[in-house]
Amino acid sequence: EPEVTQTPSHQVTQMGQEVILRCVPISNHLYFYWYRQILGQKVEFLVSFYNNEISEKSEIFDDQFSVERPDGSNFTLKIRSTKLEDSAMYFCASSSVGGYTFGSGTRLTVV
Amino acid sequence: GQQVMQIPQYQHVQEGEDFTTYCNSSTTLSNIQWYKQRPGGHPVFLIQLVKSGEVKKQKRLTFQFGEAKKNSSLHITATQTTDVGTYFCPNAGGTSYGKLTFGQGTILTVHP
Repeated sequence: EPEVTQTPSHQVTQMGQEVILRCVPISNHLYFYWYRQILGQKVEFLVSFYNNEISEKSEIFDDQFSVERPDGSNFTLKIRSTKLEDSAMYFCASSSVGGYTFGSGTRLTVV
Repeated sequence: GQQVMQIPQYQHVQEGEDFTTYCNSSTTLSNIQWYKQRPGGHPVFLIQLVKSGEVKKQKRLTFQFGEAKKNSSLHITATQTTDVGTYFCPNAGGTSYGKLTFGQGTILTVHP
């Protein structure tokens, strides 16, 4: 079964540092997403990406965040100047017709 | 926009008992998707329902889409401890590719 792969599985960073979370979506999927889940809370949509551009973003996805598809396989989320409240599980997802496949997530801890 | 409410928020069952969670929308849905998230895990796609009155089964899981396409249910027969997790019917906004808006879901606990 095809998988969405995320690296790293855990990332600890100091407040103010930049982090890049990486994802390899399923190869024939065209739509890519980032979601986050703060511990004990709902899964929240951050951004969707299609045809090499952002198709939709949430209020959370401000100038601190950016996404990129640097090559034909990777999809990255960059968080600049991390804050304590950015600590969460970040999920990448991709979709085709009928259902989204989520990666196993990157747990980001900002200290 | 569309609001999809899910009940109950929590359900505790003894292993072997049945379990049902319901999703209700204020407006007609083009489709509904169901996901499961194990504790500490990621959302896993279970199924998508598209047709009015559709019923689909996956082993002990039965998914139903209402005739008016405003509600859906997931029924688990004879729960097992492996069924533990949170079940979601996120709002897909009427598309197959748009963002998913997750609610709190139904947290299922199964006591052995």
